[in-house]
Amino acid sequence: GQNIDQPTEMTATEGAIVQINCTYQTSGFNGLFWYQQHAGEAPTFLSYNVLDGLEEKGRFSSFLSRSKGYSYLLLKELQMKDSASYLCALNYGGATNKLIFGTGTLLAVQP
Amino acid sequence: GAVVSQHPSWVICKSGTSVKIECRSLDFQATTMFWYRQFPKQSLMLMATSNEGSKATYEQGVEKDKFLINHASLTLSTLTVTSAHPEDSSFYICSARNTQKNGYTFGSGTRLTVV
Repeated sequence: GQNIDQPTEMTATEGAIVQINCTYQTSGFNGLFWYQQHAGEAPTFLSYNVLDGLEEKGRFSSFLSRSKGYSYLLLKELQMKDSASYLCALNYGGATNKLIFGTGTLLAVQP
Repeated sequence: GAVVSQHPSWVICKSGTSVKIECRSLDFQATTMFWYRQFPKQSLMLMATSNEGSKATYEQGVEKDKFLINHASLTLSTLTVTSAHPEDSSFYICSARNTQKNGYTFGSGTRLTVV
């Protein structure tokens, strides 16, 4: 089966940098997504990693190591509006392309 | 582009009744849609994979006779919660696989409250 783990909660300070980790076990790995979700809303796409390495997009970066089953999301220059849940999601199953979500990390950005 | 419209956004129903939730892909064809359920302070749990023109594939522990999924066209998938009970109260979200963008587009979600 598939298993995805993330820290449940994190707290960081406005203007700082925070790293949210995600570890996973799966077969048929296709790729790994990171989403942001505010309460009561649909997830919003942040990043997608297929190959090992770092993908940078503005204030957000995501890293993947397939051999270690590990990814992280890096948020720089934190803003109050970044307070949200961050979901690591695994795309697996070859052609079926299922997408399953980790437990999610609730990030609180404090002034 | 790549918009999925989900309706209704919220619904309140009485115990024992059925509720239908619709998801439409507006500007792309979605041969595969996924249905998720999310309880408060929890992550999205995959319920089933809906494939156009064929039977849905349900995840372990999800009752196929209770959560009826129909994917009759390339742009529409429906989830019907039959004989709803208060424990079915949750946030239901659909997602469509967008092969052109190699990604997933989510509906805005449906808040179901069973009283």
